[in-house]
Amino acid sequence: GAVVSQHPSWVICKSGTSVKIECRSLDFQATTMFWYRQFPKQSLMLMATSNEGSKATYEQGVEKDKFLINHASLTLSTLTVTSAHPEDSSFYICSARTGGLNQPQHFGDGTRLSIL
Amino acid sequence: EDQVTQSPEALRLQEGESSSLNCSYTVSGLRGLFWYRQDPGKGPEFLFTLYSAGEEKEKERLKATLTKKESFLHITAPKPEDSATYLCAVRYTGANNLFFGTGTRLTVIP
Repeated sequence: GAVVSQHPSWVICKSGTSVKIECRSLDFQATTMFWYRQFPKQSLMLMATSNEGSKATYEQGVEKDKFLINHASLTLSTLTVTSAHPEDSSFYICSARTGGLNQPQHFGDGTRLSIL
Repeated sequence: EDQVTQSPEALRLQEGESSSLNCSYTVSGLRGLFWYRQDPGKGPEFLFTLYSAGEEKEKERLKATLTKKESFLHITAPKPEDSATYLCAVRYTGANNLFFGTGTRLTVIP
């Protein structure tokens, strides 16, 4: 149980393109979803937190207009990297949690984004 | 500043050689401590949650323990398939998110 599916797993695109990443909770309803960014051999850096039907809360230093997050339903959140540039290349991972704060977060398998 | 520190950064073990990974935290109002396993190119896989000092959880060759300031992940007779990065994360009262350590990269040599 507690499966989180993330798509696509890998994307390469040209600079200036916008890229959408989907995150779905397959067998549970995710009241809260999280988006992380991970650099090689480093830990996860939280970008934003979103609750279904509400605006996302972004961490300090994360541009809201650059990283658009939509959490339209209890099973789907999307991250859109707008006008992507090479410095946006990274490994993006979503996470979902159901229930209260004591519950664990379950993670997708990540999206490797490469901007040429 | 609240932080989570994991040690060692990297650990190489012979198959069958038991050891422990450490996670130290300097947070007040611990709400939960979580252990994850992450394989290269994958997202973290949930292993355990510990909520209070003295608590222990086990799963196959892994056992997690918690004190007031640190947690240990004990690996008994590891196998090569246990090779991965093990991440520790802490949630404290009032926070919605997890604070992650930088992980321990475990390599088990056949």
